[in-house]
Amino acid sequence: DIQMTQSPSTLSASVGDRVTITCRASQSISSWLAWYQQKPGKGPKLLIYKASSLESGVPSRFSGSGSGTEFTLTISSLQPDDFATYYCQQYNSYSTFGQGTKVEVK
Amino acid sequence: QVQLVESGGGLVKPGGSLRLSCAASGFTFSDYYMSWIRQAPGKALEWVSYINSDSSHTHYADSVEGRFTISRDNAKNLLYLQMRSLRAEDTAVYYCARVLYYGSSRYYFDNWGQGTLVSVSS
Repeated sequence: DIQMTQSPSTLSASVGDRVTITCRASQSISSWLAWYQQKPGKGPKLLIYKASSLESGVPSRFSGSGSGTEFTLTISSLQPDDFATYYCQQYNSYSTFGQGTKVEVK
Repeated sequence: QVQLVESGGGLVKPGGSLRLSCAASGFTFSDYYMSWIRQAPGKALEWVSYINSDSSHTHYADSVEGRFTISRDNAKNLLYLQMRSLRAEDTAVYYCARVLYYGSSRYYFDNWGQGTLVSVSS
């Protein structure tokens, strides 16, 4: 099974900050990676697919990059609505999620 | 717009059974693979199962293989998850999700429901 490791587990930031979350795969997954945002009591929301493709309707301040085993999700200027937990998911072989990164108010 | 609404969760004793349902609307249900994903309290997401559009193919996580059965009714736009021999470790919020499938077991989830809580406890 492919394991996904996110870092950091928790990130404290302020509105307007540039935020970067990293996701590492235990083996190469090419660009078969998605990012999701989850708020308390809600189902996850797709942000990015194929490592860097922005889902329709998602603000352009979100971007994804990487290939192989290392990937990043960047929020260029953190907005109040962005405080949430973020998950990566590999889909090179079935599906595995990272353990999540909680973005909290600094 | 796409809407997925889960139901059927609740409290069940270890060894018991439960059937979850997911009502889909806002898209042509029969065109899409569908999946169940769960999240134990305070934990990460865990993919559980998927089913293809005509029910001819299903796949399960090792943790539920042989105990859970995924099915669908395309005439009623409903997705199901029959859960048997439930264990404490099955306690989680269960989400249904629409699948975008790229072949060769490559898929991700573009729309999710709000989830239904399953608690397994004596």
